[in-house]
Amino acid sequence: ETGVTQTPRHLVMGMTNKKSLKCEQHLGHNAMYWYKQSAKKPLELMFVYSLEERVENNSVPSRFSPECPNSSHLFLHLHTLQPEDSALYLCASSLSGGAKNIQYFGAGTRLSVL
Amino acid sequence: LAKTTQPISMDSYEGQEVNITCSHNNIATNDYITWYQQFPSQGPRFIIQGYKTKVTNEVASLFIPADRKSSTLSLPRVSLSDTAVYYCLVGDISGGYNKLIFGAGTRLAVHP
Repeated sequence: ETGVTQTPRHLVMGMTNKKSLKCEQHLGHNAMYWYKQSAKKPLELMFVYSLEERVENNSVPSRFSPECPNSSHLFLHLHTLQPEDSALYLCASSLSGGAKNIQYFGAGTRLSVL
Repeated sequence: LAKTTQPISMDSYEGQEVNITCSHNNIATNDYITWYQQFPSQGPRFIIQGYKTKVTNEVASLFIPADRKSSTLSLPRVSLSDTAVYYCLVGDISGGYNKLIFGAGTRLAVHP
């Protein structure tokens, strides 16, 4: 248990569906991250929120829409996805600022787009 | 951001010490070196972090030479459960958030 909880753990959706991934952290952190990990590929940083403001958006297609309502919760809203979006989506959190702000990861959501 | 280079894969046997070396020739003054472990279908897990010299915790040791252009993760007496992908990352963690760029990592296989 890392203190970062992601739901659901598995998700299957069609290309026309709308779904959301949820991440919750119980570590008192104030920075949260979304990563994508495709098969046999390194983790790709998608979005970063620091103090509830988006500070990083790595050219992610608009069919992925993040939301950070408070420092403990992070969502990734999905709509009209493509089969190539099938991957493991990981959420992480850390303290912002200062030394040793190590990232703690959730177990991920395994997404399959049909 | 400093790029890192590490071996794609390594094999070891139970009870042996494993050393994984990471090269980061362009490391900047403010950069820290962080190692993560990842099991299949799970998120990476922090192992150890250091800036210079040697750092040791209950899981591993991290050796960093004076020029900081490389680092070595040492896992003492590995077991089958240490089979995983190990990532070396270098980045400035003094800012508002910790921007980590993951490479391909080193796939460690521990055999009986």
